[in-house]
Amino acid sequence: SQKIEQNSEALNIQEGKTATLTCNYTNYSPAYLQWYRQDPGRGPVFLLLIRENEKEKRKERLKVTFDTTLKQSLFHITASQPADSATYLCAPRGANYGQNFVFGPGTRLSVLP
Amino acid sequence: DTAVSQTPKYLVTQMGNDKSIKCEQNLGHDTMYWYKQDSKKFLKIMFSYNNKELIINETVPNRFSPKSPDKAHLNLHINSLELGDSAVYFCASSQSGELFFGEGSRLTVL
Repeated sequence: SQKIEQNSEALNIQEGKTATLTCNYTNYSPAYLQWYRQDPGRGPVFLLLIRENEKEKRKERLKVTFDTTLKQSLFHITASQPADSATYLCAPRGANYGQNFVFGPGTRLSVLP
Repeated sequence: DTAVSQTPKYLVTQMGNDKSIKCEQNLGHDTMYWYKQDSKKFLKIMFSYNNKELIINETVPNRFSPKSPDKAHLNLHINSLELGDSAVYFCASSQSGELFFGEGSRLTVL
């Protein structure tokens, strides 16, 4: 069955450093992969999408990579700020429209001032 | 103007009761979803509707019944509530990619 893992349940880093979050998947061939941010008591908010034929995508301080050989996506936040503290969820999705939209368990990031 | 709105935000009820959660989206999207997020924060899909037609129905007890009167609305009715139904339920919509989520409805079954 499909399995999605995110590197750690919680990650603490110092302000100004780069946070790197990992998403690994098995028994799955996603056509694209999305990353979401979820703040406590709120719904997830879409951040970035990367397709299987793209190696890297950037948006401001965010960078996502997608390695279909390793079955892995890396999510980087450069020059991290305390306001970046949240839970980050990855969501690989297959090409078929009706396929499940499955989320990883999430990584709770805390950026310490 | 809220894109995906859910009501109620909080719901506390006794075991055995029946309750409903409503969801509306004003984005003009064709597809709507219900997700359940349990105490461990794992977000699991329950149902997906495309243009009022059910396209995904995960292994959810048949006490849960979604209803989509039109493509802007997807309601969730739960019969005979159990303690394990306590969770946050999220409604979401999409057109061709990213999901837009509501703020969630926290259900507590006592």
